[in-house]
Amino acid sequence: GGIITQTPKFLIGQEGQKLTLKCQQNFNHDTMYWYRQDSGKGLRLIYYSITENDLQKGDLSEGYDASREKKSSFSLTVTSAQKNEMAVFLCASSMAGQDTQYFGPGTRLLVL
Amino acid sequence: QQQVRQSPQSLTVWEGETAILNCSYENSAFDYFPWYQQFPGEGPALLISILSVSDKKEDGRFTIFFNKREKKLSLHIADSQPGDSATYFCAANSGGSNAKLTFGKGTKLSVKS
Repeated sequence: GGIITQTPKFLIGQEGQKLTLKCQQNFNHDTMYWYRQDSGKGLRLIYYSITENDLQKGDLSEGYDASREKKSSFSLTVTSAQKNEMAVFLCASSMAGQDTQYFGPGTRLLVL
Repeated sequence: QQQVRQSPQSLTVWEGETAILNCSYENSAFDYFPWYQQFPGEGPALLISILSVSDKKEDGRFTIFFNKREKKLSLHIADSQPGDSATYFCAANSGGSNAKLTFGKGTKLSVKS
């Protein structure tokens, strides 16, 4: 078995601030994902990475940057936090060629 | 354009009843359909999945019924338990080298005892 760790668990930011969320997985999975979850809107893909140093835009990439520093870690940066923004950011990983994605517990963002 | 739709948005059933959660899709290329279960404060976890070559998949109390012609599927939870109270997401992708899942907006299930 493996685990996905997301840090921090809670993140409170100020409008206009650059905020970084981190994700680590020990499954030895090739592919990693960042999703945004808003209440009543399901999961929307922000960025994904098929392998180390690869980066692919999802449906919601505007306003975000991502970095796959090594196989086990994938970071997401909110480039300029929007006032009253509140969402959960979920990291996931999967084995190459496998459809099953495993999710972390999420980072809860609140922008004041 | 929402490619995966779920209904109802929320559902309440009594303990012991069968809960039926619905999902429909638009993209004919979709051939893999997982259902994820999410408890408050946690990330989603894979519950059960089906490939488009099948019309039914069972795993204990959980069954997926799939209708390829109508592009519809449903998740049936038999003998519902209070511990089944969670949000359920239907998702889809077209397999192959495509690593992206498209998620529905979810159905929030409450099981009352």
